[in-house]
Amino acid sequence: GAVVSQHPSWVICKSGTSVKIECRSLDFQATTMFWYRQFPKQSLMLMATSNEGSKATYEQGVEKDKFLINHASLTLSTLTVTSAHPEDSSFYICSARDLAPSGRSKETQYFGPGTRLLVL
Amino acid sequence: AQTVTQSQPEMSVQEAETVTLSCTYDTSESDYYLFWYKQPPSRQMILVIRQEAYKQQNATENRFSVNFQKAAKSFSLKISDSQLGDAAMYFCAYSSIQGAQKLVFGQGTRLTINP
Repeated sequence: GAVVSQHPSWVICKSGTSVKIECRSLDFQATTMFWYRQFPKQSLMLMATSNEGSKATYEQGVEKDKFLINHASLTLSTLTVTSAHPEDSSFYICSARDLAPSGRSKETQYFGPGTRLLVL
Repeated sequence: AQTVTQSQPEMSVQEAETVTLSCTYDTSESDYYLFWYKQPPSRQMILVIRQEAYKQQNATENRFSVNFQKAAKSFSLKISDSQLGDAAMYFCAYSSIQGAQKLVFGQGTRLTINP
């Protein structure tokens, strides 16, 4: 249980194009999902909190027009990197919190496997 | 704002031995959650163990246990009978019980298991 998927697992794109990453909770519903960015050999940096049916809350320093987040359903959140540039190359990870846990803890975030983005 | 500090960038242990990873945090809240996550080479974040601050009893999950010292704001992870599969980055994390319950991560500790 508590499985979170991400698609694609890796993507290579040309500079100036937009890339969409999907995050799905497969066996539970999540009103809140989180998007992180991780550089090599570093910790996870929270980019934004995604709330179902409302606007995402971005962390300080994260450009909301650059990183568009949509959380249209209780099982899907998407992150779109618009007009991607080489400096956007990174590992992007999503996590989700169970809306109504059964045998699990609602305080616990369950993570997707991540998406490697390389912008050429 | 809350902060989490892992002062050991790297640790190594012999297979079957015991190792302890350190974590300290800073907060003005009285109730919160603490977590240890493991990130193996696949980079999938895996929950190892969680602790609720209002519980005095230290959490235990099989070979993994914590030493939670609330007054000292310390939350160390002990891995007993280390196995090769335990090799990974370990992240300590803090979460408030209020609001969005965002996770604040430490810098991580890379654990190597020597056969």
